[in-house]
Amino acid sequence: DIQMTQSPSSVSASVGDRVTITCRASQGISGWLAWYQQKPGKAPKLLIYTASSLQSGVPSRFSGSGSGTDFTLTISSLQPEDFATYYCQQANSFPFTFGPGTKVDIK
Amino acid sequence: QVQLVESGGGLVKPGGSLRLSCAASGFTFSDYYMNWIRQAPGKGLEWVSHISSSGTTIYYADSVKGRFTISRDNAENSLYLQMNSLRAEDTAVYYCARDRDYIWGNYRYTEGFDYWGQGTLVTVSS
Repeated sequence: DIQMTQSPSSVSASVGDRVTITCRASQGISGWLAWYQQKPGKAPKLLIYTASSLQSGVPSRFSGSGSGTDFTLTISSLQPEDFATYYCQQANSFPFTFGPGTKVDIK
Repeated sequence: QVQLVESGGGLVKPGGSLRLSCAASGFTFSDYYMNWIRQAPGKGLEWVSHISSSGTTIYYADSVKGRFTISRDNAENSLYLQMNSLRAEDTAVYYCARDRDYIWGNYRYTEGFDYWGQGTLVTVSS
């Protein structure tokens, strides 16, 4: 199985900050990586697919990059509604696996 | 608009069974691959199972293989998860989620899960 790791596990940031979250796969997954945002008590929301494609309706301050084993999610200017937990997920092969999550909270 | 509504969760004793349902609307259900994903209380996301649009191709996580069965009824626009031999570690919110896919020639790839239901809580406890 492909293991996914994320760093940091949590980050404290202020509105307007640039935030970068890293995701690493235990083996190459090409660009088959998705990013999700989850708020407490809510279902996850797809932000980015195939590593860098922005899902329809997602603000352009979110961007993704990477290929192979190393990926990043960047929020260019953090907004109050962006405080949440973010998960990466590999879609290269079954079983699909998620990273452990990165919690973004208010500094 | 796309809607996925799960039902069937509840409290069940270890070793018991439960059948979850996911009612789909707002899209042509029979065109899409579907998934079950779960989240234990306070924990991260765990993919559970995947089913092709026709129901002929199915995958499971090792943690549920042999105990859970995914199925679908395209005439009823519904997805199911039959859960048997339940264990305490199966306690979680269970989400159904639609595949966002990419088709290239004869090949189909999952790009992510673009729509999720609100989830249904399954609690396994004596």
